[in-house]
Amino acid sequence: EAQVTQNPRYLITVTGKKLTVTCSQNMNHEYMSWYRQDPGLGLRQIYYSMNVEVTDKGDVPEGYKVSRKEKRNFPLILESPSPNQTSLYFCASSWGPNNEQFFGPGTRLTVL
Amino acid sequence: KQEVTQIPAALSVPEGENLVLNCSFTDSAIYNLQWFRQDPGKGLTSLLLIQSSQREQTSGRLNASLDKSSGRSTLYIAASQPGDSATYLCAVQEGGADGLTFGKGTHLIIQP
Repeated sequence: EAQVTQNPRYLITVTGKKLTVTCSQNMNHEYMSWYRQDPGLGLRQIYYSMNVEVTDKGDVPEGYKVSRKEKRNFPLILESPSPNQTSLYFCASSWGPNNEQFFGPGTRLTVL
Repeated sequence: KQEVTQIPAALSVPEGENLVLNCSFTDSAIYNLQWFRQDPGKGLTSLLLIQSSQREQTSGRLNASLDKSSGRSTLYIAASQPGDSATYLCAVQEGGADGLTFGKGTHLIIQP
């Protein structure tokens, strides 16, 4: 089954404790991206990647890092999480930025 | 900067009714527009993608139209069912490498 998977689905952590949210797709897509969704603000893009080793900032990149060492994986790294990063995070993939986007199930992160 | 607005923010209708969800965007220079549904705990599901050169797309009981010049799209749901209850999101792609710009969604409840 073609899908985008994220892990973990739920995470509660404390301020400053480094964490990684994994994202993997099995569709051989070149384009991958991360969004966060907040009440009243909607979904906003954090980072995107056009292909392996090619990443760029989205609208709200502060406090986040990404890497793209393999085509299928695009982890989101929070090196020193803060409470304002409490949010619902979505990973997405597609053949390109202008193609139909496929989203993962989301990761609900709480930073205390 | 592109802004996407969805009206109404919430809608509750009896089962069986036909209904229309509205989406408007401020910059008509879009590449495509995508409609999603979001179910709690299940991420975003792509419903329809309309390219800027197209006027409408249909999938089952769903029909999406696009009037690029006026900056509007509608999602028509025929013969609504309780299973259609979800949040519906509209998003536009402006043709660069950036991601989608989302509206804040319409929360739809279909009463049995």
